Amino acid sequence: EAGVVQSPRYKIIEKKQPVAFWCNPISGHNTLYWYLQNLGQGPELLIRYENEEAVDDSQLPKDRFSAERLKGVDSTLKIQPAELGDSAVYLCASSLVASLGNEQFFGPGTRLTVL
Amino acid sequence: DAKTTQPPSMDCAEGRAANLPCNHSTISGNEYVYWYRQIHSQGPQYIIHGLKNNETNEMASLIITEDRKSSTLILPHATLRDTAVYYCIVRVKGGYAGGTSYGKLTFGQGTILTVHP
Repeated sequence: EAGVVQSPRYKIIEKKQPVAFWCNPISGHNTLYWYLQNLGQGPELLIRYENEEAVDDSQLPKDRFSAERLKGVDSTLKIQPAELGDSAVYLCASSLVASLGNEQFFGPGTRLTVL
Repeated sequence: DAKTTQPPSMDCAEGRAANLPCNHSTISGNEYVYWYRQIHSQGPQYIIHGLKNNETNEMASLIITEDRKSSTLILPHATLRDTAVYYCIVRVKGGYAGGTSYGKLTFGQGTILTVHP
């Protein structure tokens, strides 16, 4: 069974440019998460989806970040425009049903460098 | 969710048991103890979780003290591939009800475990 797939694995852009990250969760997983991980820190939740509904986006900087999960399967996280401080690893995770406390399965992440 | 305290780093010899401590003195009765690890350049990986009883799976054992204020993750025979950052997290089981989302994983800085040959 394939794990959580993310693309691209690496992205280098100049500041003020837009960037998008894609995530395909494990088949059948209802819950999808996007995390941000700065160097030397643990991951921080940006947004959580239950199917296609964003149920926790309190940590998502909505002035420049947006996310969607239109059909309740794969998801895209976008930054527009990117700033130098957005350089980090963006992780996607999925789980079966959040309310059961199921373990979260993480993808390998996308490492973003903003120049 | 309750906060946790972990040592920033630990060393272990290959083949020996690695015992990783975690303090969570403010844990609530409905909060579970979860352990994840993150190997370099990979996403975090679930290891084990428990409420109050000791738990064991193919990866590790989790020992929770009777008062639930601390726990220890045990890797019985550490290998070089166990070198990683280990995160101890306490949380209620996740869910979404009444317009409120709860039980998210809040990662601290974890313990960097280095397994030596």
